[in-house]
Amino acid sequence: RKEVEQDPGPFNVPEGATVAFNCTYSNSASQSFFWYRQDCRKEPKLLMSVYSSGNEDGRFTAQLNRASQYISLLIRDSKLSDSATYLCVVNNRAQNAGNMLTFGGGTRLMVKP
Amino acid sequence: GAVVSQHPSRVICKSGTSVKIECRSLDFQATTMFWYRQFPKKSLMLMATSNEGSKATYEQGVEKDKFLINHASLTLSTLTVTSAHPEDSSFYICSARTLGGHSSYNSPLHFGNGTRLTVT
Repeated sequence: RKEVEQDPGPFNVPEGATVAFNCTYSNSASQSFFWYRQDCRKEPKLLMSVYSSGNEDGRFTAQLNRASQYISLLIRDSKLSDSATYLCVVNNRAQNAGNMLTFGGGTRLMVKP
Repeated sequence: GAVVSQHPSRVICKSGTSVKIECRSLDFQATTMFWYRQFPKKSLMLMATSNEGSKATYEQGVEKDKFLINHASLTLSTLTVTSAHPEDSSFYICSARTLGGHSSYNSPLHFGNGTRLTVT
């Protein structure tokens, strides 16, 4: 089983739709969680961190379920510009341990007019 | 604005030559930087962790003699792909954390813009 798993998609949705992605992680000691967005042939860019209580940033809502070891990303009112690959990133506890960051394979979203 | 700068963004080289990629942290010091590789339609794979003033830590399966990493200053790490072969063609990305507070491992990574290497 992969440490961080995502449905690769693609998710094809019309503009204005609401879409949700899930990501599961296997290490129960995981401490911090992030969603990154990666456009084709570009570097990943931080979309949002995921907090235990859940957090919202405009049309984007992230939630964490520690008991079930998954995080989710909800996008409301999808825009064409939301088309990208969304990467789930999990950081496990270790001092100064960036090498404990594990990336999911990404979920591809395509928003159609 | 960008906090991590990577150069070059694109390079084409002949098989057998070496290519150096630079990664700079802008306006902050990065004692640790990370190098990733990404093949088309695949996820990022960590290659190595670059530590300022000491040897890099390589992930399993990554040849340290082929992918030379130098982190000579707090703002610069370089990755040199030696004796490049076509199978080394990939997207190479560096990253660093902007540290702050006691929970630095909770800080997200900032990525350079990546280097697309094509070996002919």
